[in-house]
Amino acid sequence: QVLLLQSGAEVKEPGASVKVSCKTSGDSFTNFYFHWVRQAPGQGLEWMGIINPSGGGTSYTQKFQGRVTMTRDTSTSTVYMQLNGLRSEDTAVYFCGSSHTIFGVSPYWGQGTLVTVSS
Amino acid sequence: EIVLTQSPGTLSLSPGERATLSCRASQSVTYNHLAWYQQKPGQAPRLLINGVSNRAAGVPDRFGGSGSGTDFTLTISRLEPDDFAMYYCQSYGSSPLTFGGGTKVEI
Repeated sequence: QVLLLQSGAEVKEPGASVKVSCKTSGDSFTNFYFHWVRQAPGQGLEWMGIINPSGGGTSYTQKFQGRVTMTRDTSTSTVYMQLNGLRSEDTAVYFCGSSHTIFGVSPYWGQGTLVTVSS
Repeated sequence: EIVLTQSPGTLSLSPGERATLSCRASQSVTYNHLAWYQQKPGQAPRLLINGVSNRAAGVPDRFGGSGSGTDFTLTISRLEPDDFAMYYCQSYGSSPLTFGGGTKVEI
C-alpha cells in the first residue's frame, strides 16, 4: 500500500510553467511506477505519462512530448510533473497514481491538484 | 493507440436496478488489459476491475466485468445509492494508456 499526497492548487499565467509534486509514504517508493493523469473541468481522464522511480526512466504520451517533464527525488520519495508553455486548455486537475507494474492499473491515487491557467 | 468508446453517455436508473455499461475498443485489447474505474465529483478515480473481470480489493461483488477482444461490459447487479457516479474504462499494458470518455450513472 502507498499513500500519495499532492501539492496545492496553482494559478499560472499563459506561457508559464507549473511543477506539481506527489509525495509518497508507506511501501517502498521504488516498488511502484507513478503515472500522471489530468482531467479538465467537466471532462474525462487523460493519461499523460509515467515515471519509474528506480532509474528515473519516463514515457510520455505524444500529445505532451516536449512540454512535460517527470522527475523523482528518491531522498524524499517524491515524484514531480512539470508542464511548460501553459495555455488555457491546460486548466485541469492533475492526479498522480501508482501501479505495481509498468503501464499497469493504478490502485492508489493522490487527491489531485487543480492548475488554473488564466491571465 | 487504442481508442475506447463508452456507451451510453448517461444511464438513468433507480436503486436496486441493474446497470450495464459498455466499452468498445478500436483494436483488440491484448492480455485482457482492460480496467474499470469509478469516480465521484471532487474525488480521484477508484479502481474497480482489472484484467477485464478481476475485482480490486474491497470492491463489492455486485460489480462485475466481462468481455474480450474489442467489446467489454461493466455490470452493477443491484444499484445502491453509493454507486451513482462516473465510470471509465481503461486500456493498459503498453504506452499510451487510454481512457474511455466515461458513462455517468445517475438516479
